Amino acid sequence: QKEVEQDPGPLSVPEGAIVSLNCTYSNSAFQYFMWYRQYSRKGPELLMYTYSSGNKEDGRFTAQVDKSSKYISLFIRDSQPSDSATYLCAMTGGRDDMRFGAGTRLTVKP
Amino acid sequence: DTAVSQTPKYLVTQMGNDKSIKCEQNLGHDTMYWYKQDSKKFLKIMFSYNNKELIINETVPNRFSPKSPDKAHLNLHINSLELGDSAVYFCASSPPGLAGLQFFGPGTRLTVL
Repeated sequence: QKEVEQDPGPLSVPEGAIVSLNCTYSNSAFQYFMWYRQYSRKGPELLMYTYSSGNKEDGRFTAQVDKSSKYISLFIRDSQPSDSATYLCAMTGGRDDMRFGAGTRLTVKP
Repeated sequence: DTAVSQTPKYLVTQMGNDKSIKCEQNLGHDTMYWYKQDSKKFLKIMFSYNNKELIINETVPNRFSPKSPDKAHLNLHINSLELGDSAVYFCASSPPGLAGLQFFGPGTRLTVL
């Protein structure tokens, strides 16, 4: 079993839709949970950074962490074509043990 | 100003050759990393350096050797290149105490023929 599981998609939605991206994990030592966005032929860029369980909102993006279920989510409201990218979940216990999910490729159609 | 830069951006070479990829960060971070991203986009950590000292060395063939001349630079040297080494290699850096907050370079696309 992989430490971090993420459905690679691809996921295609119409513009304006609410997008839900998810990851599950097995290592209970993970404390920090991140979402990275990667455009084609570019490096990943940090989108959301959360510590422990709870919700964090930033504009159209909301990250949720449920440590009891070992489940994290990223919601994108009012999705735009510019949101089309691969979204990678990532997590760490804070000791350079970063693990990434496989990434979900998202396409938002105008 | 580019925060994390890598050279070259593209590298095409023959099997058996030796090649190097260079990385520099101007963010003042103490920790730098090398990642490999395969054709399925899976991103896997290879090495982590903190202040020029090797912290993580994941299961990577010893043909791969990182070198950190100072804390702003982390280079990757690969000996005897194999077809399976074809991938995109990313350098990243993070500030002290925030291992999850990583800034990535633009990547080096390595193709081994």
